[in-house]
Amino acid sequence: KAGVTQTPRYLIKTRGQQVTLSCSPISGHRSVSWYQQTPGQGLQFLFEYFSETQRNKGNFPGRFSGRQFSNSRSEMNVSTLELGDSALYLCASSPTRLSEETQYFGPGTRLLVL
Amino acid sequence: AQSVTQPDIHITVSEGASLELRCNYSYGATPYLFWYVQSPGQGLQLLLKYFSGDTLVQGIKGFEAEFKRSQSSFNLRKPSVHWSDAAEYFCAVGAGADKLIFGTGTRLQVFP
Repeated sequence: KAGVTQTPRYLIKTRGQQVTLSCSPISGHRSVSWYQQTPGQGLQFLFEYFSETQRNKGNFPGRFSGRQFSNSRSEMNVSTLELGDSALYLCASSPTRLSEETQYFGPGTRLLVL
Repeated sequence: AQSVTQPDIHITVSEGASLELRCNYSYGATPYLFWYVQSPGQGLQLLLKYFSGDTLVQGIKGFEAEFKRSQSSFNLRKPSVHWSDAAEYFCAVGAGADKLIFGTGTRLQVFP
C-alpha cells in the first residue's frame, strides 16, 4: 500500500498570502489529522477529519482551516500568512480513530513565510 | 491537563551501547502511548505503540518500551545502538479518540 502523500513538499510564501496544502491518506483510511511542527512549539495538533466532518480541533486561530473530500483526501488552508506560520505541516491518517488504530504520517510540507 | 514530558533534549551514545529514552505522561484515563522517530527532513515513523495488555512492547528496529502505570512512564530502550539510529525521537499520548499530544523530542547522536 502506498503511504500518506503530501503536496507540495516545499513552499515559499510572503506575509499576507494564503496557502493550501494537500494530503492523500493511505487507501482505506478515513481519518486524517494535521499537525504543525516548529522548533519553538514542537508538534501541535491542528485538526482531525473523518468522513468529511471535523471531529476535533486544536488551539489555532481561525486563519487555519481544513476540509476533507468524499475520497478522504484532505486540504488545509492558512489565510493571511504570518512569519510564525513557517513550519513543517504533517498529515497523518488512520482507518477509523486513534483510540483503535495507529496514525501513519506523511513526509510533510515545509512552509517558509517571508 | 494532558501532557508528555521528555526530560532529555539531547543524548549522545557510542555505537553498540545501550539506550534508554525517558517519557512521562499526564493523562487521566487509560493512555494510548506511542514512540515515533523522525530523521532530518522527514515525517514521523512509528516505532511502537501501547494500547493495552502486555506492558512490555516490542517495536521495529530492535526497540522496546515498557509501560509503567505507577510511574506514568513509557521509556524506550534498545540494547545496542547502531549509527543509523541517530534521529529525533518523540513520545506521544493519544488524547481522547482523535489526536496525539507529543513530547518535545529527544535528539539522539551516535558516535562510532
